[in-house]
Amino acid sequence: QVQLVESGGGVVQPGRSLRLSCAAFGVSFSSYAMHWVRQAPGKGLEWVAVISHDGNIKNYADSVKGRFPISRDNSKNTLYLQMSSLRTEDTAVYYCARAFPDPYYWYFDLWGRGALVTVSS
Amino acid sequence: DIQMTQSPSSVSASVGDRVTITCRASQGIGSRLAWYQQKPGKAPKLLIYAASTLQSGVPSRFSGGGSGTDFTLTISSLQPEDFATYYCQQANSFPYTFGQGTKLEIK
Repeated sequence: QVQLVESGGGVVQPGRSLRLSCAAFGVSFSSYAMHWVRQAPGKGLEWVAVISHDGNIKNYADSVKGRFPISRDNSKNTLYLQMSSLRTEDTAVYYCARAFPDPYYWYFDLWGRGALVTVSS
Repeated sequence: DIQMTQSPSSVSASVGDRVTITCRASQGIGSRLAWYQQKPGKAPKLLIYAASTLQSGVPSRFSGGGSGTDFTLTISSLQPEDFATYYCQQANSFPYTFGQGTKLEIK
């Protein structure tokens, strides 16, 4: 079954770190660029970061640049988001999403169910 | 950054109605625009990309139009399952940005 499954969410104190994972099933993971998109409670969607299919090209929203490096392990079909220096405003559901159409980055055609990250003291 | 502004923010309509949602970009983005549907507690779903191309499996009652700075999403005859929040997204340049969303509610 084609799906993306996020894990690693939880409650964390401000200033601490957390790593999100996104496992891909039933897809040719190494062929696609991948994104992270987040949604604060009751709010709209915010693009966070993208990584090319081979991991060589990365791009970030200013709000997370320098704090949330994106990475991937194609041998494990897994995407990562290493979140550090977390702030209360980082509280959100974090979705991983496949870039579409191949080989471009433009849109998001396959989404995970999301992982909730709550930053609170 | 390119700002995306949707209107209206919310709309009430009945089953069978025709509804149009507008999205305006703060600068020209060609046709690099997508529309997503999101239901409560669920991930967004891609409906339309490249401004007017229907994603595979999406009903033909959904259509998109526009280019440059002004875009529309039209649902020709609302079905019960269409009541949701809709977002536009520009893919012309990083950072990719979304509109604030339009909540489509049952009248």
